[in-house]
Amino acid sequence: SQELEQSPQSLIVQEGKNLTINCTSSKTLYGLYWYKQKYGEGLIFLMMLQKGGEEKSHEKITAKLDEKKQQSSLHITASQPSHAGIYLCGAEGGGSNYKLTFGKGTLLTVNP
Amino acid sequence: KAGVTQTPRYLIKTRGQQVTLSCSPISGHRSVSWYQQTPGQGLQFLFEYFSETQRNKGNFPGRFSGRQFSNSRSEMNVSTLELGDSALYLCASSLFAGGGNEQFFGPGTRLTVL
Repeated sequence: SQELEQSPQSLIVQEGKNLTINCTSSKTLYGLYWYKQKYGEGLIFLMMLQKGGEEKSHEKITAKLDEKKQQSSLHITASQPSHAGIYLCGAEGGGSNYKLTFGKGTLLTVNP
Repeated sequence: KAGVTQTPRYLIKTRGQQVTLSCSPISGHRSVSWYQQTPGQGLQFLFEYFSETQRNKGNFPGRFSGRQFSNSRSEMNVSTLELGDSALYLCASSLFAGGGNEQFFGPGTRLTVL
């Protein structure tokens, strides 16, 4: 079964700093999703990546899927307190198995 | 367009009872997936429904079941509740079943089993 490892598990940054969260898969990634979650609440969809080398940006958040499609990174530029939360990567299993498998999440704290 | 809604938001039950959770997908979305989130196991897939048919199922005991109605609304049921069933239950909707579909999540139902 596919496993996703996120690093770091937690991150504390000063407002205005850049940061990167990584998601590494044990298998080829067919569809990679990034979500943000406030503790105990639902997941907010950020981005979906499918093609090797694909890069998407939304506001100050950029996500990339590497060429070999086994790793994705999420980069936040000039972090703000509103970026704080838990970032989760989720991956489709490929073929007819398109349920999402999730990493354990990265807890981001942004200090003002 | 309204997002995914889940009811109830919070629920407290005792061991041995059963519970039914409801999910209304985004208008026009026909696929609904259910997930369980706990501190220890993280987010785990329960099942997916499309056009009233279960398309995928995760590794959960038969006490966990679900269904989808013709209007795409979905319910999940947990019978004979155990303490370990305490979790945040999330549903997600997408336009179609299959890969490459953006999945949008609801706010979740927080179930506490005493």
